[in-house]
Amino acid sequence: AQSVTQLGSHVSVSEGALVLLRCNYSSSVPPYLFWYVQYPNQGLQLLLKYTTGATLVKGINGFEAEFKKSETSFHLTKPSAHMSDAAEYFCAVSDRGSSASKIIFGSGTRLSIRP
Amino acid sequence: DGGITQSPKYLFRKEGQNVTLSCEQNLNHDAMYWYRQDPGQGLRLIYYSQIVNDFQKGDIAEGYSVSREKKESFPLTVTSAQKNPTAFYLCASFNLRDSLYGYTFGSGTRLTVV
Repeated sequence: AQSVTQLGSHVSVSEGALVLLRCNYSSSVPPYLFWYVQYPNQGLQLLLKYTTGATLVKGINGFEAEFKKSETSFHLTKPSAHMSDAAEYFCAVSDRGSSASKIIFGSGTRLSIRP
Repeated sequence: DGGITQSPKYLFRKEGQNVTLSCEQNLNHDAMYWYRQDPGQGLRLIYYSQIVNDFQKGDIAEGYSVSREKKESFPLTVTSAQKNPTAFYLCASFNLRDSLYGYTFGSGTRLTVV
């Protein structure tokens, strides 16, 4: 069975500092991997996804993530944090093919930005 | 523009009342989902449907009911049997014929019991 673990329910960084949000997954087959962002009282918005090909994936708002099969990780990074990055971030995994409709979400990491 | 519309954005319910949350999509997506979100607990799946007139229970279906009479619509009823309904409810959809894009989410409904 698939699962997702997000390390750290709350991460706080200073404005301009590196953002690193950790995600490890468990899957018996090569997965699809996603990062979603949620601002207060809003739905989830797709930030980036890995499906196939290049393992370094670039998303919106300057975020990127690297799929590392050997480490079963898909950590989210941004070189320089901005105040507007404060939000909740969810890592998610799904199978391919006919099982792709069942996406498993991590428990979320709340990112705070210090001025 | 295509998307998912959830209404209302805020909903207040009295004890013992049933309420229905609306979810409509014009993306021509086959699958639709309802999640409940509580602080610090992430997303929990309530019900999902992959085809009209068919739906399956998720992890926390007790006290909820759904229908899927049209492809575009997947309303969720929170019944009086749901003992702690105060939460943020999210609807999502998925294109079964193009699985690369993950879920598309609505903007949510915040339900409060008064």
